[in-house]
Parts: sequence; structure tokens; C-alpha cells
Amino acid sequence: DIVMTQSPDSLAVSLGERATIDCKSSQSILSSTNNREYLAWYQQKPGQPPRLLIYWASTRESGVPDRFSGSGSGTDFTLTISSLQAEDVAVYYCQQYYDTPQTFGQGTKVEIK
Amino acid sequence: EVQLLVSGGGLVQPGGSRRLSCSASGLTFSNYDMTWVRQAPGKGLEWVSGISKSGDSTYYADSVKGRFIISRDNSKNTLYLLLNSLRAEDTAIYYCARPRDGYFRGYFDSWGQGTLVTVSS
Repeated sequence: DIVMTQSPDSLAVSLGERATIDCKSSQSILSSTNNREYLAWYQQKPGQPPRLLIYWASTRESGVPDRFSGSGSGTDFTLTISSLQAEDVAVYYCQQYYDTPQTFGQGTKVEIK
Repeated sequence: EVQLLVSGGGLVQPGGSRRLSCSASGLTFSNYDMTWVRQAPGKGLEWVSGISKSGDSTYYADSVKGRFIISRDNSKNTLYLLLNSLRAEDTAIYYCARPRDGYFRGYFDSWGQGTLVTVSS
């Protein structure tokens, strides 16, 4: 199975400051067929199901604020929240869908400092 | 708007069974593979099972293979997950999720609200 490892496990950021979450896959999730990175990011707030933020590593889902961005390639990926807002307090997960079983990172909890 | 309504959770004794349902609306259900994802209390997300559009092909995580059965009824726009031989470690919120591009191994743009299955005596 492809192991997805996120860092840090938690972080506290001041309002308006940048938050950065890293996700590392145990093997490449780049398809040679379509040259796409099979990585997604989700946001989950307490008592809610996950919400898709980013797919193909860097494509923002419709309706997601542009302060959220995804980057990276190969085995190293990053989710950036450029200016943290109070409503961004949540747990964030990366997911690879390159191989079965598709696997998630352990999650990163983002809080306000 | 896609809606996925999950039901069937509850308290089950170890070794028991439970059937979960996911009723879909706002989409052409038969055009999508579907999946189940679970989340143990306070823990992360775990993909559990997937099924092809027609139901002919099914896929399982090793942790549930041989115990869980995924199925679907396209005439009722409903996805099922039969949980057998339940263990304490199966205690989780079970979500159904739709992959955007229709293939079970994809990214999920629609999620049900989840249903809690608690395995305990």
C-alpha cells in the first residue's frame, strides 16, 4: 500500500498568516499516462464529512476560496492556506488515488494561535 | 445537487452483522462507481470498499475483505454495505462517497453525512 505521511500533526497559526501542510507519499503518484499527480486534499470540520478542496495536486475545487492552494510533484506535496481565517480551523487530509487501496494521510489539525 | 443519505448504523455486538444503506439523489447513480470510507472515533479516514457502476466488480481493503460485502441497486439509487463478523476495531463512522470522475479509485466530491457503527457488548 502507498503510505501517505503528513506533517506536522498539528499547527497553530495567527489569523491572516500562512499555514503550510506537507504530505509525502511512499512512492510516486505521478501517472506516466496523463502526467497527472493523483493527489487530493480534504478539509474536515467537527461533526461533518470531509470536503474536497484540491485534486490533481493543484486544481482547486469549485467554491473553494483561492487562499487554498496545492502544489508539489512526485512524492512531496503541500497544501497552503495563504491567509488563515477563523473558518479554516479544521483537520486536513491528503489522499492518493493512484493505486488501490487509495490511502489518506493521518491528518493535520489547524488551529488559531 | 448531489445528496447521499446514509443510514443503518447503531450498536452491534462483536461477531454480529449490520447493513448500511446510502440513498443517492441529484445524480445519475448508475454512471458512477461508488465507495465507502470509514473513520474511527478521533482517527483518520480509511477507504473500505468500492463497487463498479454495474455492480459486477467490487474492491475491499484488506482489513475488511471476507467480512464486508458491498452491493448496489441502481433501480433504487442505493448503495449498500453489509458488515459481518464485526469487531471492536470496526467501530467507526461510515461514509459513502462519490468519485468525481466516476471511477471508484478517484477523488471524492460528494460525501454522505455518515452513520456511526459501534461494536460493543
